[in-house]
Amino acid sequence: EPEVTQTPSHQVTQMGQEVILRCVPISNHLYFYWYRQILGQKVEFLVSFYNNEISEKSEIFDDQFSVERPDGSNFTLKIRSTKLEDSAMYFCASVRDRDLYNEQFFGPGTRLTVL
Amino acid sequence: GNSVTQMEGPVTLSEEAFLTINCTYTATGYPSLFWYVQYPGEGLQLLLKATKADDKGSNKGFEATYRKETTSFHLEKGSVQVSDSAVYFCALSVPQGGSEKLVFGKGTKLTVNP
Repeated sequence: EPEVTQTPSHQVTQMGQEVILRCVPISNHLYFYWYRQILGQKVEFLVSFYNNEISEKSEIFDDQFSVERPDGSNFTLKIRSTKLEDSAMYFCASVRDRDLYNEQFFGPGTRLTVL
Repeated sequence: GNSVTQMEGPVTLSEEAFLTINCTYTATGYPSLFWYVQYPGEGLQLLLKATKADDKGSNKGFEATYRKETTSFHLEKGSVQVSDSAVYFCALSVPQGGSEKLVFGKGTKLTVNP
């Protein structure tokens, strides 16, 4: 069964460093998402992406964040200068098309720890 | 705005016990409602969904009914198993001309003991 994969599973970085979180969505899916969950808090929407551009982004997704689909298979989230409060679990998701009733398929997450 | 509130965990039950996890929502439009489950070390998986009032979603013995009058979507299972131990997330999606993003509750950790 096709699945969304994410690498790495755990990333530790120093404050101020750049990190890139990688996701491989399901191959025939067209819409891609990043969510994050700070420990003990809700899963929060960060950004959605379609047709090589951002469809929607949340207030959290400021200028320090960017997304890219560089090669037709990977979908990346870059944080330019990490802050302590960026420590969280980051989930990638994809969906075949934009429909309320379609299931979003999630990856296992990347745990980001900023020291 | 759109938000989901679900009961705080953790919840610990014995095998074959009855499970209820409460979920209520507020939404500016007419939402679709979902329960996602996360097993240890895995991603979020869709457990069940309902797209209109009075719909009942069901899967693997779990059920939830979309109650518009009480803005609720409580998750129930008549007899839980050890393998049901996981974190359960209630979520909604509202058509906003954007990306149909999911809005999640905090999650409820369920532990089922043999």
